[in-house]
Amino acid sequence: DAGVIQSPRHEVTEMGQEVTLRCKPISGHNSLFWYRQTMMRGLELLIYFNNNVPIDDSGMPEDRFSAKMPNASFSTLKIQPSEPRDSAVYFCASSPGQGATEAFFGQGTRLTVV
Amino acid sequence: SQQGEEDPQALSIQEGENATMNCSYKTSINNLQWYRQNSGRGLVHLILIRSNEREKHSGRLRVTLDTSKKSSSLLITASRAADTASYFCATDGTSGSRLTFGEGTQLTVNP
Repeated sequence: DAGVIQSPRHEVTEMGQEVTLRCKPISGHNSLFWYRQTMMRGLELLIYFNNNVPIDDSGMPEDRFSAKMPNASFSTLKIQPSEPRDSAVYFCASSPGQGATEAFFGQGTRLTVV
Repeated sequence: SQQGEEDPQALSIQEGENATMNCSYKTSINNLQWYRQNSGRGLVHLILIRSNEREKHSGRLRVTLDTSKKSSSLLITASRAADTASYFCATDGTSGSRLTFGEGTQLTVNP
């Protein structure tokens, strides 16, 4: 398996634009996590899916952020409209069990909003 | 908010020395995990210790867990320059759903 695959690796966009980040989890994994990493706030859990259903989205910062998991092999994180303070590295991770068993991380998407 | 807090924030040692990093957390847990992150890369799982375990080994890694003190330590023995990375602890909480990371320890191993 190629591991968790995220795209794009880097994204530079202008303030106000819509940004969509994509994630393909490891086949057979039941849980999927989206994290955001910044120097100021560290690693923050944004949302957690189990069997394609959002279980905990309390970390989603505001209505500008939305996440979907239409099937077991694909998830998106959308920011609309984007703001400079959204600049961060966004990680997707998947795990084989329900909840917080060993998580496998993608390489991340570095988002810069100018 | 971060559940785990690592200390020290940064640690610099010479190759061959041992490195010890500590993690404290606030609420009850099912398990605690340690991850490593090389600069510009994703996190890589190192080891998981369950709440009913006190110590676990994996190669040059030794993890301890003291649930009464809500703390854990990660020991890397005979460190190598390639061990240079950030190390994070992560806890799940008894609900088992949220994997929450600490702020990490930046380890530098000088050759």
